[in-house]
Amino acid sequence: ELKVEQNPLFLSMQEGKNYTIYCNYSTTSDRLYWYRQDPGKSLESLFVLLSNGAVKQEGRLMASLDTKARLSTLHITAAVHDLSATYFCAVGRYTGTASKLTFGTGTRLQVTL
Amino acid sequence: GAGVSQSPRYKVAKRGQDVALRCDPISGHVSLFWYQQALGQGPEFLTYFQNEAQLDKSGLPSDRFFAERPEGSVSTLKIQRTQQEDSAVYLCASSPRRIASGNTIYFGEGSWLTVV
Repeated sequence: ELKVEQNPLFLSMQEGKNYTIYCNYSTTSDRLYWYRQDPGKSLESLFVLLSNGAVKQEGRLMASLDTKARLSTLHITAAVHDLSATYFCAVGRYTGTASKLTFGTGTRLQVTL
Repeated sequence: GAGVSQSPRYKVAKRGQDVALRCDPISGHVSLFWYQQALGQGPEFLTYFQNEAQLDKSGLPSDRFFAERPEGSVSTLKIQRTQQEDSAVYLCASSPRRIASGNTIYFGEGSWLTVV
């Protein structure tokens, strides 16, 4: 059974600081996704990582994928309050017939002034 | 519409009542997913459709849960004889193709179900 673990589960950081969220998964994957969720809202797609060594950046967020280590990271540079949200990674698997996303536990990020 | 649309947004059901949740995916999207998200948790997979075919229903928690997508567009998730543990947000998502193609998967706002 595929397991997806994120750490930390909760992160409080000051504005201007850098930090990394880690996403480990237990079996081979086709794709790795990062989503943002604001309280009471749905999931907003941030990144889709397609292959080993993939790196994508958008603003203060950068995601990377190491399929050999079964690890993805989401790096936050010079955090601002607007980045406060819960961040989920999700592993995509295609079985030949069906597709499925398995989500991590989520990391709740709180950026303080 | 421009995004994945779900209705109702909020539903309060008495225990034992049947509910139906509707999902209108982005036009032309082949893949459609249903997820269940309990408070403070990550979304849990329920079922997957490719066009009208339900190819994976391994996440449906019991035979009280039933999903359909008869014409390959709109989907309905039905929960019979609701129980308190069914209280959650039910998220629908769609994607232009299969996951293997690497397309973004778009989520709707969710249907918030509370069973009292």
